[in-house]
Amino acid sequence: EVQLVESGGGLVQPGGSLRLSCAASGFTFSTYAMNWVRQAPGKGLEWVSAISGSGSTYYADSVKGRFTISRDNSKNTLYLQLNSLRAEDTALYYCARGISGSYCPFDYWGQGTLVTVSS
Amino acid sequence: DIQMTQSPSSLSASIEDRVTITCRASQSISSYLSWYQQKPGKAPKLLIHATSSLQSGVPSRFSGSGSGTDFNLTISSLQPEDFATYYCQQSHSTPWTFGQGTKVEIK
Repeated sequence: EVQLVESGGGLVQPGGSLRLSCAASGFTFSTYAMNWVRQAPGKGLEWVSAISGSGSTYYADSVKGRFTISRDNSKNTLYLQLNSLRAEDTALYYCARGISGSYCPFDYWGQGTLVTVSS
Repeated sequence: DIQMTQSPSSLSASIEDRVTITCRASQSISSYLSWYQQKPGKAPKLLIHATSSLQSGVPSRFSGSGSGTDFNLTISSLQPEDFATYYCQQSHSTPWTFGQGTKVEIK
């Protein structure tokens, strides 16, 4: 059974940093592209970043230069480093697996980890 | 960036009604269109990819159609468990953008 479990969210002040993790199990992690998608409270879905199995990365313009996606295939774990956080980054952050052979669409999602940026 | 616009933003329907949600892309995305269902407090669930390919385990009352810029998600006979918010998403090019969502409510 495919499982994705996010962690690392919390309350952080504007300008602060957080590192999110997503532990994957039930599939060969290294062969799948992975993504981060966020959802602000009461709002829609926004794709944030993607990484291929070999490490090629993509970012939404809204986070480029502030967020860094990475993965450790030996630990079956996806990461998202969030720096220079702003109030508008407040959201539930989901990790999501790209469908076989593609970055997108996303066939499995975690339950999300909440990031709140506030002073 | 490719903008995705869904209509309507919300709708009220009865059990066994036929429901259609429309998604329009700001430029041609060929058939790179997916649909997700999200229930309150839950992660989105992939229903359909590549415009009309039903994800494993998704009931056959869900179907997708379209090409280019105009796409539809149809629920042929609405069931109680289908009341949720539905999102379209294009996977033609990054950033992979979503529509704003369509909330399907009970009439």
